Amino acid sequence: LAKTTQPISMDSYEGQEVNITCSHNNIATNDYITWYQQFPSQGPRFIIQGYKTKVTNEVASLFIPADRKSSTLSLPRVSLSDTAVYYCLVMDTGRRALTFGSGTRLQVQP
Amino acid sequence: DSGVTQTPKHLITATGQRVTLRCSPRSGDLSVYWYQQSLDQGLQFLIQYYNGEERAKGNILERFSAQQFPDLHSELNLSSLELGDSALYFCASSVSGQAEAFFGQGTRLTVV
Repeated sequence: LAKTTQPISMDSYEGQEVNITCSHNNIATNDYITWYQQFPSQGPRFIIQGYKTKVTNEVASLFIPADRKSSTLSLPRVSLSDTAVYYCLVMDTGRRALTFGSGTRLQVQP
Repeated sequence: DSGVTQTPKHLITATGQRVTLRCSPRSGDLSVYWYQQSLDQGLQFLIQYYNGEERAKGNILERFSAQQFPDLHSELNLSSLELGDSALYFCASSVSGQAEAFFGQGTRLTVV
């Protein structure tokens, strides 16, 4: 199972774009990159998933370079409600365990 | 609402006791995952079931056990409880082994 490394915490201000980078040097060919968001005392919520290049949905974009050894979650124009912990996961959709790392604690200030 | 239902929402019990946490997955989801999250800690993967069979095991203590029933709901049994077992226990479900898993609101267990 590919190990991921993310910054422990990040600070931002409302209206700014936030980019959280995750390193996954030993990602396998069949692995997908997935990001989750978790608010205090709530279960994690799926944000976005990608395999390569760029994926965009209504809440975020995911940038994956050609070597796939890292990925960047981009949150446009964050608000206070985006304050949460963000987890990067790497897994083969055929694999067995959905394992979370330590995550990045994002604090958005007014 | 994720569609995953966990009961009870809160549970307070004494050390040495046994409790059962219940999870009803989203309709159609065959995979169920259990996680433990202690205060300000990360999510610890405990165990996964797929269509009634154990599929993966994480850091689950021998005092803990789980099962998935034919109707696909799952139960996590915690026995000989210790103070350190106090935590939020989350259940998640997904279609097969998909990365998009849906989490319940959790059961907050307090052992006193």
